Amino acid sequence: DGGITQSPKYLFRKEGQNVTLSCEQNLNHDAMYWYRQDPGQGLRLIYYSQIVNDFQKGDIAEGYSVSREKKESFPLTVTSAQKNPTAFYLCASTYSAGNTEAFFGQGTRLTVV
Amino acid sequence: AQSVAQPEDQVNVAEGNPLTVKCTYSVSGNPYLFWYVQYPNRGLQFLLKYITGDNLVKGSYGFEAEFNKSQTSFHLKKPSALVSDSALYFCAVRERGGYQKVTFGIGTKLQVIP
Repeated sequence: DGGITQSPKYLFRKEGQNVTLSCEQNLNHDAMYWYRQDPGQGLRLIYYSQIVNDFQKGDIAEGYSVSREKKESFPLTVTSAQKNPTAFYLCASTYSAGNTEAFFGQGTRLTVV
Repeated sequence: AQSVAQPEDQVNVAEGNPLTVKCTYSVSGNPYLFWYVQYPNRGLQFLLKYITGDNLVKGSYGFEAEFNKSQTSFHLKKPSALVSDSALYFCAVRERGGYQKVTFGIGTKLQVIP
């Protein structure tokens, strides 16, 4: 089955640690996105990528980093510079054509302990 | 810069009554517009989209949305609400050309009361 997979579903991070969230898709989509969801704030764009080896900062990129070495994969690293990382993180992908809808993973809930 | 506004944090409707979830947008040029639904602790699921043509768009689960260019709105509607429609609904806009970034509204919680 085609789809987009995020792992892990739950992740706990200690203060000062970097953690990496995985996002893999087998839909042959060109574009991939990372969003952060907090209660009452909707989805905020962290990073997005239209093609391999290229990505753009979204609205809240500080404290995060990404890579896009393969079309299928778009991992997100939450660095120690992100002061309030506890949130629900969603990965999405689309075809390049703007008239196509996004497919979402099931999300990763990150908690700082 | 493009933006999406969902003016209502929550909408309550009785089961069997019609429902409307409001969305307005701001974007340069003609937009691509989308509605998504999210159930607790899950990703978003696509409901419907407006690309061009007929202003009334029909989607999944009996939902429809009306595109109004003069009012820059794209309200989600359903003639008869079900309890199972209770969820969080997001409106989104995608720019044409450039990096085609997708921007979401903050979401509206729909509560259908039995």
